[in-house]
Amino acid sequence: NAGVTQTPKFQVLKTGQSMTLQCAQDMNHEYMSWYRQDPGMGLRLIHYSVGAGITDQGEVPNGYNVSRSTTEDFPLRLLSAAPSQTSVYFCASSRTGTSGGGTYNEQFFGPGTRLTVL
Amino acid sequence: KQEVTQIPAALSVPEGENLVLNCSFTDSAIYNLQWFRQDPGKGLTSLLLIQSSQREQTSGRLNASLDKSSGRSTLYIAASQPGDSATYLCAVLTGANSKLTFGKGITLSVRP
Repeated sequence: NAGVTQTPKFQVLKTGQSMTLQCAQDMNHEYMSWYRQDPGMGLRLIHYSVGAGITDQGEVPNGYNVSRSTTEDFPLRLLSAAPSQTSVYFCASSRTGTSGGGTYNEQFFGPGTRLTVL
Repeated sequence: KQEVTQIPAALSVPEGENLVLNCSFTDSAIYNLQWFRQDPGKGLTSLLLIQSSQREQTSGRLNASLDKSSGRSTLYIAASQPGDSATYLCAVLTGANSKLTFGKGITLSVRP
């Protein structure tokens, strides 16, 4: 298993450019999500998906679009990059289930994409 | 709104010390709590997951406990080693749509 993979590892954009961050997982997980990590702010949820064809907004969705056409892939699109989107972006997928009468959702993270917007 | 707090932000200890990292959360209606490790410039590695019905989980030298009623979890690291130096993040899962809320992490430095 490759787990959760992300490309590219590093990217520099100019203000106004658009791009897509790629995320793929080979664990057949239904739930996938995108986070950004900023110094002093911690990790914040951008968008998430509970299965193919279903997406929803997280805490900081503005300026980002997502789609989920397959179980494996969950790309994140920056429509018009701004310096405020300079961050490290992490994709995660989740193993869910029930055990001992309770529900769990264990998240596994990719290695991240470091994005700089000039 | 769920809030997760980890104090202190940084900790430095000598090698061999047993240590406890604390995590507190405001909404006790959680599905599970997960501890992660993050090395500089790297992604997050899942260490332990505790379901809301559980009190603790163990993996090697790590033991995580959960007291849901008081909104607290601790990560116990036995016999710390320099290789344990990293940032440790606590995250709680709440809500029907399984949203994970993170603390800001504790940066641990273990001195040889």
